[in-house]
Amino acid sequence: AQSVTQLDSQVPVFEEAPVELRCNYSSSVSVYLFWYVQYPNQGLQLLLKYLSGSTLVESINGFEAEFNKSQTSFHLRKPSVHISDTAEYFCAVRISGGSYIPTFGRGTSLIVHP
Amino acid sequence: DTGVSQNPRHKITKRGQNVTFRCDPISEHNRLYWYRQTLGQGPEFLTYFQNEAQLEKSRLLSDRFSAERPKGSFSTLEIQRTEQGDSAMYLCASGMDNEQFFGPGTRLTVL
Repeated sequence: AQSVTQLDSQVPVFEEAPVELRCNYSSSVSVYLFWYVQYPNQGLQLLLKYLSGSTLVESINGFEAEFNKSQTSFHLRKPSVHISDTAEYFCAVRISGGSYIPTFGRGTSLIVHP
Repeated sequence: DTGVSQNPRHKITKRGQNVTFRCDPISEHNRLYWYRQTLGQGPEFLTYFQNEAQLEKSRLLSDRFSAERPKGSFSTLEIQRTEQGDSAMYLCASGMDNEQFFGPGTRLTVL
C-alpha cells in the first residue's frame, strides 16, 4: 500500500518570499503524484500532477513540483508567494495502472503574511 | 456552473438520527468518489463508483454507511444512527482518467 507524508503541518512565510512544501511518499510500485489546494470553505482543486515524462511539472499560477524517484519526494515550490496563496495544500499518491483511488497526506497550511 | 455540487452544504443532526447527502458529479464523468475529511487531516477514502457499480469500499465505511448511484449520475451517501464521531466534512469527487474534481463538501455536525 502507498502512503504520503507531509512533514510540515504549517508553513508561515512573508509575501514575495519563496516557499517549499515538502511531500514524501512510500510505494513499492510506480506512482502518480498530485498536489491539491483547498481555499477556506471550498473544495479541493488540482494544482498539478506528475504522471510520466518530465519530472518537473508546473501549474498556471507559478507553483512547480519535481518528482524525485531516488528520494521518493514531490516537493512543491513557488519562488514568490502572494497573500492569495494562503490555503491548505495536500499531496496525494496513486499507484499507476492500478486502483483510481489516491492516498492523501495530512495537508500543509501555507500562511502568507503581508 | 458545471462543477461538482453537493447538498446540503451543512447539516446539524442529533445523535441517532439518519442523514442523507447528495452529490451531483460533472455530467460526462463516469467515476464518483466519496471521502471524509476531519480537521487537520487529508481526505480519507470511503467508497468509489464507476458508472452505477460500487467498485470499492473502505474499511472505514461501517455498516451504518451506505452509498448509491442508481443511474450512474448523482449519488447519495446515507448515514444511519449517527454518532458524534461521524462529525466531519463529507467530500464528493468525480473524474475521468487521472483527475478528480471535488465538490465543496457537506459539513456534518452530530450533537
